[in-house]
Amino acid sequence: DGGITQSPKYLFRKEGQNVTLSCEQNLNHDAMYWYRQDPGQGLRLIYYSQIVNDFQKGDIAEGYSVSREKKESFPLTVTSAQKNPTAFYLCASSMASGADTQYFGPGTRLTVL
Amino acid sequence: AQRVTQPEKLLSVFKGAPVELKCNYSYSGSPELFWYVQYSRQRLQLLLRHISRESIKGFTADLNKGETSFHLKKPFAQEEDSAMYYCALTGGGGNKLTFGTGTQLKVEL
Repeated sequence: DGGITQSPKYLFRKEGQNVTLSCEQNLNHDAMYWYRQDPGQGLRLIYYSQIVNDFQKGDIAEGYSVSREKKESFPLTVTSAQKNPTAFYLCASSMASGADTQYFGPGTRLTVL
Repeated sequence: AQRVTQPEKLLSVFKGAPVELKCNYSYSGSPELFWYVQYSRQRLQLLLRHISRESIKGFTADLNKGETSFHLKKPFAQEEDSAMYYCALTGGGGNKLTFGTGTQLKVEL
Protein backbone atom coordinates (compact mmCIF):
# COMPACT_ATOMS: atom_id res chain seq x y z
CA ASP A 1 0.00 0.00 0.00
CA GLY A 2 2.99 2.35 0.03
CA GLY A 3 3.70 5.05 -2.50
CA ILE A 4 1.05 7.64 -1.72
CA THR A 5 0.46 8.95 1.75
CA GLN A 6 -2.03 11.33 3.29
CA SER A 7 -1.89 13.02 6.64
CA PRO A 8 -3.43 13.32 9.06
CA LYS A 9 -5.86 10.41 9.14
CA TYR A 10 -8.41 12.38 11.17
CA LEU A 11 -8.67 16.15 11.35
CA PHE A 12 -10.95 18.36 13.36
CA ARG A 13 -11.36 22.05 12.83
CA LYS A 14 -13.58 24.82 14.05
CA GLU A 15 -15.82 26.73 11.72
CA GLY A 16 -14.11 29.69 10.11
CA GLN A 17 -10.67 28.10 10.09
CA ASN A 18 -8.67 27.08 7.06
CA VAL A 19 -7.02 23.66 7.16
CA THR A 20 -4.47 22.00 4.88
CA LEU A 21 -4.49 18.31 4.03
CA SER A 22 -1.22 16.72 3.00
CA CYS A 23 -0.67 14.34 0.07
CA GLU A 24 2.74 12.96 -0.86
CA GLN A 25 3.73 10.36 -3.45
CA ASN A 26 7.04 8.67 -4.25
CA LEU A 27 5.81 6.94 -7.40
CA ASN A 28 7.31 9.59 -9.70
CA HIS A 29 3.83 10.26 -11.06
CA ASP A 30 3.17 13.45 -12.99
CA ALA A 31 -0.55 13.70 -12.26
CA MET A 32 -2.21 14.11 -8.88
CA TYR A 33 -5.84 14.47 -7.86
CA TRP A 34 -8.06 15.39 -4.93
CA TYR A 35 -11.49 13.84 -4.48
CA ARG A 36 -14.19 14.22 -1.93
CA GLN A 37 -16.12 11.10 -0.94
CA ASP A 38 -19.58 11.50 0.59
CA PRO A 39 -22.08 8.70 1.29
CA GLY A 40 -24.33 8.14 -1.70
CA GLN A 41 -22.41 10.58 -3.88
CA GLY A 42 -19.36 8.60 -4.83
CA LEU A 43 -16.12 10.40 -5.57
CA ARG A 44 -16.23 13.98 -6.79
CA LEU A 45 -13.15 15.66 -8.23
CA ILE A 46 -12.02 18.82 -6.45
CA TYR A 47 -8.75 19.70 -8.19
CA TYR A 48 -6.20 17.93 -10.33
CA SER A 49 -2.70 18.62 -11.52
CA GLN A 50 -1.09 17.08 -14.59
CA ILE A 51 2.33 18.61 -14.04
CA VAL A 52 4.29 20.63 -11.52
CA ASN A 53 3.21 24.28 -11.19
CA ASP A 54 -0.05 23.63 -12.99
CA PHE A 55 -3.49 22.57 -11.77
CA GLN A 56 -7.11 22.68 -12.89
CA LYS A 57 -10.43 22.92 -11.12
CA GLY A 58 -12.54 19.82 -10.90
CA ASP A 59 -16.28 19.60 -10.46
CA ILE A 60 -16.49 21.01 -6.93
CA ALA A 61 -13.54 23.40 -6.52
CA GLU A 62 -15.37 26.19 -4.70
CA GLY A 63 -14.00 26.73 -1.22
CA TYR A 64 -10.83 24.75 -1.90
CA SER A 65 -7.33 25.67 -3.04
CA VAL A 66 -4.25 23.67 -4.03
CA SER A 67 -0.61 24.12 -4.96
CA ARG A 68 1.82 21.93 -6.87
CA GLU A 69 5.30 23.28 -6.21
CA LYS A 70 6.91 19.86 -6.14
CA LYS A 71 6.20 16.77 -8.20
CA GLU A 72 5.69 14.61 -5.13
CA SER A 73 3.41 16.93 -3.17
CA PHE A 74 -0.12 18.22 -3.76
CA PRO A 75 -1.58 19.80 -0.61
CA LEU A 76 -5.25 20.73 -0.41
CA THR A 77 -6.48 23.68 1.64
CA VAL A 78 -10.08 23.65 2.78
CA THR A 79 -10.99 27.26 3.32
CA SER A 80 -13.68 28.80 5.48
CA ALA A 81 -15.59 29.51 2.26
CA GLN A 82 -16.37 25.81 1.83
CA LYS A 83 -19.94 25.54 3.06
CA ASN A 84 -19.99 21.84 3.91
CA PRO A 85 -16.41 20.72 4.52
CA THR A 86 -17.05 17.68 6.70
CA ALA A 87 -16.16 14.73 4.46
CA PHE A 88 -13.66 12.05 3.60
CA TYR A 89 -10.91 13.36 1.29
CA LEU A 90 -8.95 11.11 -1.05
CA CYS A 91 -5.77 11.94 -2.89
CA ALA A 92 -4.63 9.98 -5.94
CA SER A 93 -1.83 9.99 -8.46
CA SER A 94 -1.22 8.56 -11.91
CA MET A 95 1.65 8.41 -14.35
CA ALA A 96 0.12 10.97 -16.64
CA SER A 97 -3.49 11.59 -17.50
CA GLY A 98 -6.78 10.38 -16.09
CA ALA A 99 -6.66 7.49 -18.55
CA ASP A 100 -3.84 5.94 -16.56
CA THR A 101 -4.48 3.88 -13.47
CA GLN A 102 -4.97 6.09 -10.46
CA TYR A 103 -3.39 5.06 -7.16
CA PHE A 104 -5.17 6.24 -4.06
CA GLY A 105 -4.02 7.27 -0.63
CA PRO A 106 -5.67 6.10 2.60
CA GLY A 107 -7.73 9.27 2.95
CA THR A 108 -8.25 12.00 5.52
CA ARG A 109 -11.51 12.39 7.39
CA LEU A 110 -12.18 16.05 8.12
CA THR A 111 -14.77 17.04 10.67
CA VAL A 112 -15.78 20.63 11.21
CA LEU A 113 -17.06 21.32 14.69
CA ALA B 1 -20.43 16.48 -20.14
CA GLN B 2 -19.45 13.00 -19.08
CA ARG B 3 -21.56 11.10 -16.60
CA VAL B 4 -21.55 7.67 -14.99
CA THR B 5 -24.66 6.09 -13.52
CA GLN B 6 -24.70 3.17 -11.12
CA PRO B 7 -28.38 2.57 -10.39
CA GLU B 8 -27.97 0.24 -7.43
CA LYS B 9 -26.67 1.53 -4.10
CA LEU B 10 -26.68 -1.95 -2.61
CA LEU B 11 -26.64 -5.38 -4.20
CA SER B 12 -26.99 -8.43 -2.02
CA VAL B 13 -26.38 -11.93 -3.40
CA PHE B 14 -25.75 -15.37 -1.98
CA LYS B 15 -22.38 -17.04 -2.24
CA GLY B 16 -22.11 -18.94 -5.49
CA ALA B 17 -24.76 -16.86 -7.25
CA PRO B 18 -23.97 -14.77 -10.34
CA VAL B 19 -23.23 -11.10 -9.87
CA GLU B 20 -23.89 -8.19 -12.20
CA LEU B 21 -23.10 -4.64 -11.15
CA LYS B 22 -24.65 -2.18 -13.56
CA CYS B 23 -22.90 0.85 -15.03
CA ASN B 24 -24.22 3.18 -17.71
CA TYR B 25 -22.37 6.15 -19.07
CA SER B 26 -22.90 9.30 -21.06
CA TYR B 27 -20.06 10.57 -23.24
CA SER B 28 -20.00 11.89 -26.76
CA GLY B 29 -16.61 10.53 -27.81
CA SER B 30 -14.82 7.23 -27.33
CA PRO B 31 -14.63 6.60 -23.61
CA GLU B 32 -12.25 4.57 -21.52
CA LEU B 33 -14.06 2.71 -18.76
CA PHE B 34 -12.80 1.38 -15.46
CA TRP B 35 -14.01 -0.46 -12.40
CA TYR B 36 -12.43 0.49 -9.07
CA VAL B 37 -13.02 -1.43 -5.85
CA GLN B 38 -12.72 -0.57 -2.18
CA TYR B 39 -12.59 -3.48 0.24
CA SER B 40 -13.25 -2.89 3.92
CA ARG B 41 -10.38 -0.98 5.54
CA GLN B 42 -8.40 -0.92 2.30
CA ARG B 43 -7.64 1.75 -0.23
CA LEU B 44 -9.59 2.30 -3.38
CA GLN B 45 -7.85 0.38 -6.17
CA LEU B 46 -8.26 -0.45 -9.80
CA LEU B 47 -10.07 -3.72 -10.49
CA LEU B 48 -10.09 -3.69 -14.28
CA ARG B 49 -10.21 -1.48 -17.36
CA HIS B 50 -11.96 -2.25 -20.60
CA ILE B 51 -8.99 -1.75 -22.91
CA SER B 52 -7.05 -4.54 -21.23
CA ARG B 53 -9.90 -7.03 -21.78
CA GLU B 54 -8.75 -9.16 -18.88
CA SER B 55 -10.48 -10.99 -16.07
CA ILE B 56 -9.47 -10.00 -12.57
CA LYS B 57 -10.55 -12.11 -9.58
CA GLY B 58 -13.09 -13.75 -11.87
CA PHE B 59 -14.70 -10.43 -12.83
CA THR B 60 -15.19 -9.31 -16.41
CA ALA B 61 -16.75 -6.25 -17.97
CA ASP B 62 -17.68 -5.65 -21.58
CA LEU B 63 -18.07 -2.23 -23.08
CA ASN B 64 -21.35 -2.01 -24.99
CA LYS B 65 -21.28 1.20 -26.96
CA GLY B 66 -24.79 0.69 -28.31
CA GLU B 67 -26.27 0.52 -24.83
CA THR B 68 -23.58 2.79 -23.34
CA SER B 69 -22.99 0.27 -20.61
CA PHE B 70 -20.03 -1.34 -18.86
CA HIS B 71 -21.58 -3.85 -16.48
CA LEU B 72 -19.31 -5.83 -14.15
CA LYS B 73 -20.01 -9.55 -14.00
CA LYS B 74 -18.86 -12.61 -12.12
CA PRO B 75 -20.42 -16.05 -12.55
CA PHE B 76 -20.05 -17.21 -8.93
CA ALA B 77 -19.86 -14.71 -6.09
CA GLN B 78 -17.41 -15.28 -3.24
CA GLU B 79 -17.56 -13.87 0.26
CA GLU B 80 -14.36 -11.91 -0.35
CA ASP B 81 -16.06 -10.03 -3.19
CA SER B 82 -18.03 -7.98 -0.66
CA ALA B 83 -16.89 -4.41 -1.23
CA MET B 84 -17.83 -1.03 -2.70
CA TYR B 85 -17.50 -0.93 -6.47
CA TYR B 86 -17.15 2.24 -8.52
CA CYS B 87 -17.47 2.55 -12.27
CA ALA B 88 -15.43 5.36 -13.82
CA LEU B 89 -15.00 6.99 -17.20
CA THR B 90 -12.47 9.19 -18.95
CA GLY B 91 -12.24 10.58 -22.44
CA GLY B 92 -8.53 9.87 -22.45
CA GLY B 93 -5.59 12.22 -22.85
CA GLY B 94 -5.75 14.91 -20.21
CA ASN B 95 -9.41 14.31 -19.55
CA LYS B 96 -10.45 13.84 -15.95
CA LEU B 97 -11.82 10.61 -14.51
CA THR B 98 -15.51 10.72 -13.58
CA PHE B 99 -16.81 8.25 -11.00
CA GLY B 100 -20.26 6.84 -10.45
CA THR B 101 -21.90 6.89 -7.04
CA GLY B 102 -20.85 3.32 -6.28
CA THR B 103 -22.57 0.02 -5.54
CA GLN B 104 -22.06 -1.82 -2.28
CA LEU B 105 -21.89 -5.55 -2.99
CA LYS B 106 -22.71 -7.85 -0.11
CA VAL B 107 -22.17 -11.56 -0.56
CA GLU B 108 -24.08 -13.60 1.98
CA LEU B 109 -23.38 -17.14 3.03
